[in-house]
Amino acid sequence: GNSVTQMEGPVTLSEEAFLTINCTYTATGYPSLFWYVQYPGEGLQLLLKATKADDKGSNKGFEATYRKETTSFHLEKGSVQVSDSAVYFCAHEGRNSGNTPLVFGKGTRLSVIA
Amino acid sequence: DAGITQSPRHKVTETGTPVTLRCHQTENHRYMYWYRQDPGHGLRLIHYSYGVKDTDKGEVSDGYSVSRSKTEDFLLTLESATSSQTSVYFCAISPGAPGANVLTFGAGSRLTVL
Repeated sequence: GNSVTQMEGPVTLSEEAFLTINCTYTATGYPSLFWYVQYPGEGLQLLLKATKADDKGSNKGFEATYRKETTSFHLEKGSVQVSDSAVYFCAHEGRNSGNTPLVFGKGTRLSVIA
Repeated sequence: DAGITQSPRHKVTETGTPVTLRCHQTENHRYMYWYRQDPGHGLRLIHYSYGVKDTDKGEVSDGYSVSRSKTEDFLLTLESATSSQTSVYFCAISPGAPGANVLTFGAGSRLTVL
């Protein structure tokens, strides 16, 4: 079935370090892919998305490229800040179209220390 | 704010009692969702709605029911709460098909079942 697998956390980095959070998916066809972020005490909010193969989503210095060959959508940031400390969720459409809700990964907690 | 509110934000109840969580939106969005968030499990879909009186089950629907009698409200009911339903519950909304539209999340409702 459809699923999303993302790297286990927690991830602890020093400020200005490079971040990669791996995400792979299984799905029928080529679904849209998303990264959502949850800051402490809040609900999730969209960070970035990509709707087709080779698309790159970007926002707030974060990037992720839709790789259909490796069924991956890894999240990267060149220089993290303390304010990036949050839980990051990878997600994809359940199907290419229709009412099927998004399928989320289990989340990866990132802690950035000064 | 995106016009989505959850109530109550915090609730402590006893095993066997009924509990209703309310999600209210002012965005006139068609789709509404209830998720639960638990350590080690990430975000899991309980039920969702794709229109008034149109609902469907998610992956962890046992022990939960929902109702949507008008566009703005989506109620989640635990008929007889159990300790395994202690969790943080998030409501989300989207204007259209899940893959093509951004999900907007509420701030969450923390439920403790003693």
